[in-house]
Amino acid sequence: DQQVKQNSPSLSVQEGRISILNCDYTNSMFDYFLWYKKYPAEGPTFLISISSIKDKNEDGRFTVFLNKSAKHLSLHIVPSQPGDSAVYFCAASAPLIDGANSKLTFGKGITLSVRP
Amino acid sequence: DSGVTQTPKHLITATGQRVTLRCSPRSGDLSVYWYQQSLDQGLQFLIQYYNGEERAKGNILERFSAQQFPDLHSELNLSSLELGDSALYFCASSEGLAGIEQYFGPGTRLTVT
Repeated sequence: DQQVKQNSPSLSVQEGRISILNCDYTNSMFDYFLWYKKYPAEGPTFLISISSIKDKNEDGRFTVFLNKSAKHLSLHIVPSQPGDSAVYFCAASAPLIDGANSKLTFGKGITLSVRP
Repeated sequence: DSGVTQTPKHLITATGQRVTLRCSPRSGDLSVYWYQQSLDQGLQFLIQYYNGEERAKGNILERFSAQQFPDLHSELNLSSLELGDSALYFCASSEGLAGIEQYFGPGTRLTVT
């Protein structure tokens, strides 16, 4: 059962425009969400995160929005640049219970292509 | 560069064989995580070690095992390999037990023929 879903496998946008990458989750215990970016032949790199006590977190061109009631988060990239072309993974984490579990649950990823 | 190293980068082997993947975490990180990424799949969590002890298990097959050594490097052992084990295997590390922000290595691409 896919607890973190990225239903659109790919997205193509024009350079300078906004990229909106969506992610849905089903586990209401998730309380921390992250976005990772992955270039070919490299491992995923951490991009931005948000705690469930917030609804927005911004870092430069990247903003993550969280809608807890809808169990939905989105990553906005403004303005999009060709170097942003990569696979973006949404991930979620549930709180620790006695320090026993800190695994991340990942979505399948969205391939973003930014056209020059 | 995340500071996490993985060897080898590529591995081609036959069904039924056994391989060992190696990971060195970032300096100072005590937690090591292993993930598998198969075709069209997201990253599937396999197992976590913290300071030498197994802390969490995910969808790890019984044919797979891992360990973390006193110098904190980790090895993932895959045995009785099947064609379906072909995948990218990533190692990640974090400073503490609660690895919210994990740093990933470049991965090992395993091809089973």
